[in-house]
Amino acid sequence: GDSVTQTEGLVTLTEGLPVMLNCTYQTAYSTFLFWYVQHLNEAPKLLLKSSTDNKRTEHQGFHATLHKSSSSFHLQKSSAQLSDSALYYCALSDEATGGNNKLTFGQGTVLSVIP
Amino acid sequence: EAAVTQSPRNKVTVTGGNVTLSCRQTNSHNYMYWYRQDTGHGLRLIHYSYGAGNLQIGDVPDGYKATRTTQEDFFLLLELASPSQTSLYFCASSLDRINTGQLYFGEGSKLTVL
Repeated sequence: GDSVTQTEGLVTLTEGLPVMLNCTYQTAYSTFLFWYVQHLNEAPKLLLKSSTDNKRTEHQGFHATLHKSSSSFHLQKSSAQLSDSALYYCALSDEATGGNNKLTFGQGTVLSVIP
Repeated sequence: EAAVTQSPRNKVTVTGGNVTLSCRQTNSHNYMYWYRQDTGHGLRLIHYSYGAGNLQIGDVPDGYKATRTTQEDFFLLLELASPSQTSLYFCASSLDRINTGQLYFGEGSKLTVL
């Protein structure tokens, strides 16, 4: 079945430094990849999504590029802000199940930005 | 912004107890989902539905039942709760297939099984 791997459980950064959160995946089908962000005591919300190989997707200062050759969809930002501190989930959906699609989430990465 | 409301927000029960978590969305979304969130495991899909009366099994369904009574309401049932079901539960909805749409989450229901 599908799987998503986020290798870092916790990433701690100083404000102003670049952010990179890793995401790799495994699936046998055409895929859609997503990043969700969950701030403390809030619900997860969609941050980015992509299905196009080698195309950069941007939103709210974050960007990610889907690379099907390496099965990766890393999340990046040029300069971390204190307000970026949150739990970040990478997730995928595939076309295998037709109209009953579902999301498979990774384990999540906590990003902690310190002054 | 789509609205998804969960109740109760906090629930404490004992082993063997009976628990119902409720979810209502008022945005005419077709798809509804129940996830559990646990540190180290992320969000895991329990059950989902694409319409009233429909139920699909997710990735971690054991010990859970679910029922979609109307387009708006989706319930998660734990008939014999166990401590391993202590978790934060999220309901979510989407208008269309996930690939083209966006998943909207409720605020979560924290369940503690003693």
